[in-house]
Amino acid sequence: SSELTQDPTVSVALGQTVKITCQGDSLRSYYASWYQQRPGQAPVLVIYDKNSRPSGIPDRFSGANSGNTASLTITGAQAEDEADYYCFSRDTSGNHWVFGGGTKLTVL
Amino acid sequence: QVELQESGPGLVKPSGTLSLTCAVSGGSISLNNWWTWVRQSPGKGLEWIGDISHTGNTNYNPSLRSRVTMSVDTSKNHFSLNLYSVTAADTAVYFCTRRTYGDDWYFDLWGPGTLVTVSS
Repeated sequence: SSELTQDPTVSVALGQTVKITCQGDSLRSYYASWYQQRPGQAPVLVIYDKNSRPSGIPDRFSGANSGNTASLTITGAQAEDEADYYCFSRDTSGNHWVFGGGTKLTVL
Repeated sequence: QVELQESGPGLVKPSGTLSLTCAVSGGSISLNNWWTWVRQSPGKGLEWIGDISHTGNTNYNPSLRSRVTMSVDTSKNHFSLNLYSVTAADTAVYFCTRRTYGDDWYFDLWGPGTLVTVSS
């Protein structure tokens, strides 16, 4: 089991808003980063430092932190957003690193 | 534009050693980043294996620490992974990545990944 917990599956209607969450004790002290992974491809960074986007990532992607939960919100989900999403941060000890178990996003 | 590329055998025998190298091109490995290996077993999630700095400092996943070593060669601008005593459970796509710092650490660059199968 991962020290960062994500819902395994989430679905959203095309054009609607969806929030993907990541829970863990370490998130009270550290930021999570978020990665999108399409089948057969390497992960791609979509959010870092709580709510910063790399160049080329659409502004419909945003991040937030509250207590022990980090969230990734997609406002106006598109068909190409269908993918697996992973959060990443420190483990509970703060000395090592861990990914969340991943969330499979389906765009209906 | 910095790019990463994994290389190494795609097939390793059980109880053998998995050895991979990640070539860094378009930039120097000797910057204030950490260079990381991540793996993904078929149909599973991402797993952090460990990191190495350009000075050779390492940090390994506790669950793999007894079987992992990493090294860096700044003259060749690459870093490497050795995983010993492999079993079928080590079959995975192995990614090399760059961990960089803003307000916190994150992976801003990934190699395409290489599939390593453990089988006799």
